[in-house]
Amino acid sequence: GDSVTQMEGPVTLSEEAFLTINCTYTATGYPSLFWYVQYPGEGLQLLLKATKADDKGSNKGFEATYRKETTSFHLEKGSVQVSDSAVYFCALSDLKAAGNKLTFGGGTRVLVKP
Amino acid sequence: GAGVSQSPSNKVTEKGKDVELRCDPISGHTALYWYRQSLGQGLEFLIYFQGNSAPDKSGLPSDRFSAERTGGSVSTLTIQRTQQEDSAVYLCASSPASLNTEAFFGQGTRLTVV
Repeated sequence: GDSVTQMEGPVTLSEEAFLTINCTYTATGYPSLFWYVQYPGEGLQLLLKATKADDKGSNKGFEATYRKETTSFHLEKGSVQVSDSAVYFCALSDLKAAGNKLTFGGGTRVLVKP
Repeated sequence: GAGVSQSPSNKVTEKGKDVELRCDPISGHTALYWYRQSLGQGLEFLIYFQGNSAPDKSGLPSDRFSAERTGGSVSTLTIQRTQQEDSAVYLCASSPASLNTEAFFGQGTRLTVV
């Protein structure tokens, strides 16, 4: 079945540091890939997505590129802020499945210190 | 309301009691999903509705779990004879169409079984 593996946290960084969160996936079909973010006390929000190979999703300074050859969708940000402290979830949606069911990775907690 | 609304936000129940969790999706969204977020298990898919029917119930963990959706809108997730392992945050999401569209999440119901 489909699965998503992402690096375990917590990841602790200083403000303005470079952030990378690794994500790899296994899927039988042609999935769309997503990064969701959960800020403290808030619900899950879509951060960015990519629907086909070599697509790059970007939002709020975050980027991720859909790499079919390495089955990866790593999240990067060049200069993090304290407000980026959150839990980040990599997810896929296999378009062969019924609906837009998401398969999530385990989540990576990121803490940015001033 | 503008977003996905879930109630109650918190529920503490005694082991063996039944609970009902409610989800009010964004108006006009035909697809509705239930997920469970628990320590050690991450975010797990439970069930997907398209309109009032549930083409994918594959994530329901046991026959103590059931869900329904009426009028293509509100959904209720029912857990009978609750067990301590049912303690988790139950998340609802909705999307305007079934494939390749963003899912909008509610803030969840935190269920604690004592």
